[in-house]
Amino acid sequence: KQEVTQIPAALSVPEGENLVLNCSFTDSAIYNLQWFRQDPGKGLTSLLLIQSSQREQTSGRLNASLDKSSGRSTLYIAASQPGDSATYLCAVRGYGKTSYDKVIFGPGTSLSVIP
Amino acid sequence: EPEVTQTPSHQVTQMGQEVILRCVPISNHLYFYWYRQILGQKVEFLVSFYNNEISEKSEIFDDQFSVERPDGSNFTLKIRSTKLEDSAMYFCASTPGGVQPQHFGDGTRLSIL
Repeated sequence: KQEVTQIPAALSVPEGENLVLNCSFTDSAIYNLQWFRQDPGKGLTSLLLIQSSQREQTSGRLNASLDKSSGRSTLYIAASQPGDSATYLCAVRGYGKTSYDKVIFGPGTSLSVIP
Repeated sequence: EPEVTQTPSHQVTQMGQEVILRCVPISNHLYFYWYRQILGQKVEFLVSFYNNEISEKSEIFDDQFSVERPDGSNFTLKIRSTKLEDSAMYFCASTPGGVQPQHFGDGTRLSIL
């Protein structure tokens, strides 16, 4: 059974710092991994999607890496800004009972960037 | 930019009543999902839907739940006899295909009294 964990649960950093969020999963037979941002009381905004055959993806100040064999992904945020304050979720799409269409979310990392 | 839209934004229902949550996925998307998030907890997968049938469902998605794509645009989640523990935020998502990211709606907050 796939389990997804995220470390740390919460993080508070001063503006301008570079930071790394971690995501671990127990079953390496995944289809892809997606990072999301969730603002309080809101839906989920997709940040980056990494296919199982890829090692990393970049978008602006964000870089996500994937090491499928060790069951790990990291989200690197460069030069953090107060507007980056949110909860960051990773989600693994893998095999359920009949298809590669079961998505398991981690519990999230709550990020606070202090001006 | 096209969006996934969900209605209503907030639904209040008496325990035991049936409720239907509605979603309009992005028009060229083929894969559809429902998730729920109980307050303060993680996002939980409920069901995935492709080619007019369920692809996967979680242990949460029991006989009280059903999904339907009644026409070319709507995707609905029905809970037949609601329980207090069904109170949660329900999110709909869609994607054009497996190699594309999922796009989420803003959710429906379901409150069971």
